[in-house]
Amino acid sequence: NAGVTQTPKFRVLKTGQSMTLQCAQDMNHEYMYWYRQDPGMGLRLIHYSVGAGITDQGEVPNGYNVSRLKKQNFLLGLESAAPSQTSVYFCASGREESYNEQFFGPGTRLTVL
Amino acid sequence: GQNIDQPTEMTATEGAIVQINCTYQTSGFNGLFWYQQHAGEAPTFLSYNVLDGLEEKGRFSSFLSRSKGYSYLLLKELQMKDSASYLCAVVASNYQLIWGAGTKLIIKP
Repeated sequence: NAGVTQTPKFRVLKTGQSMTLQCAQDMNHEYMYWYRQDPGMGLRLIHYSVGAGITDQGEVPNGYNVSRLKKQNFLLGLESAAPSQTSVYFCASGREESYNEQFFGPGTRLTVL
Repeated sequence: GQNIDQPTEMTATEGAIVQINCTYQTSGFNGLFWYQQHAGEAPTFLSYNVLDGLEEKGRFSSFLSRSKGYSYLLLKELQMKDSASYLCAVVASNYQLIWGAGTKLIIKP
């Protein structure tokens, strides 16, 4: 099992460009999450999904959109990148709500110039 | 508001014992996780506490006091590979995880 995979691993964007971060999991988990991690701060939830076709906003959703057409895939989109979105992005998945152990992908390091 | 506090950095010696503390104030409580994160890598699960008391797993133990809003992670017989950041996360009333900023643990020979 690959677990949670993310592509790309690294990306450099110019301000105003758009991109999509891809996440896939092969553990048949219902729940999927997108976080960003910045120095000196805890992981912050951007968006999450409780099943295919169902998404909701987290703590810091502005500037991002998500899509979950299939259970195993969760996409994070940046429509018009800004330098404030320079961060490391982690995708995670979990099997249930009440015991919320989450399994993380390797991360995408994004720099916006 | 919701707040989780951990020390920013700690240093310990190989073979010794270290205790990393976490205090929290959150809207509701449905459990507390500890994760380990090596530099440049993803967080990985270490432990979960939902009831008061100590949970032991090999060299690692985690303690919870819900009345005090307090947890600690105890690492024994420290090894160089234990150099990492340790993240405390509380499961809030909506079952989302609220994360601390992490404690960077430096192990010296």
